[in-house]
Amino acid sequence: DTGVSQDPRHKITKRGQNVTFRCDPISEHNRLYWYRQTLGQGPEFLTYFQNEAQLEKSRLLSDRFSAERPKGSFSTLEIQRTEQGDSAMYLCASSLDVEKLFFGSGTQLSVL
Amino acid sequence: AQKVTQAQTEISVVEKEDVTLDCVYETRDTTYYLFWYKQPPSGELVFLIRRNSFDEQNEISGRYSWNFQKSTSSFNFTITASQVVDSAVYFCALRGAGSYQLTFGKGTKLSVIP
Repeated sequence: DTGVSQDPRHKITKRGQNVTFRCDPISEHNRLYWYRQTLGQGPEFLTYFQNEAQLEKSRLLSDRFSAERPKGSFSTLEIQRTEQGDSAMYLCASSLDVEKLFFGSGTQLSVL
Repeated sequence: AQKVTQAQTEISVVEKEDVTLDCVYETRDTTYYLFWYKQPPSGELVFLIRRNSFDEQNEISGRYSWNFQKSTSSFNFTITASQVVDSAVYFCALRGAGSYQLTFGKGTKLSVIP
């Protein structure tokens, strides 16, 4: 049984470029979450999907961020016009219920 | 607004010592859920426990125990007879009943020295 898979593991981009990350949840999990974590901080919630529906989105999330989960399977997180402040570890998690989340290893984004 | 405070940034203990990680939370919700997650050096967060606001019974799981005190808004985590494998960053988190969002504290980095 594989866990939550995220791709790529690392991404380096120049300011102003667009980036897209992918998350493959555990196969039977219908709930999917995106979080962002910077050094020395706890994860910060970005958005939540139940199947293909995006049910919750952080009010702090800039409109440069968008996430999709077509067909309720994998999910993508896109950041447009990246800024240096977007540099962080982007974590994906999935779950069967709202209590126990299974996290992936994350995508480390560096914006130069 | 939800807030979780983990005042201890880093703790070092010698193997076999007991250690308590503190967590204080703030919420206006009457129903809420508290969690602890472990983030080992490999990076993947691992779920440890969930408590709901109506259940103040303390819980023990092997060497781990949790003390939930609603009166002081605290949910502390104790590791008994610590081991090197316990070295990790530990996060306390809070979720209100009407939300799917976890609010995490800044974490406590625990180093267990052999």
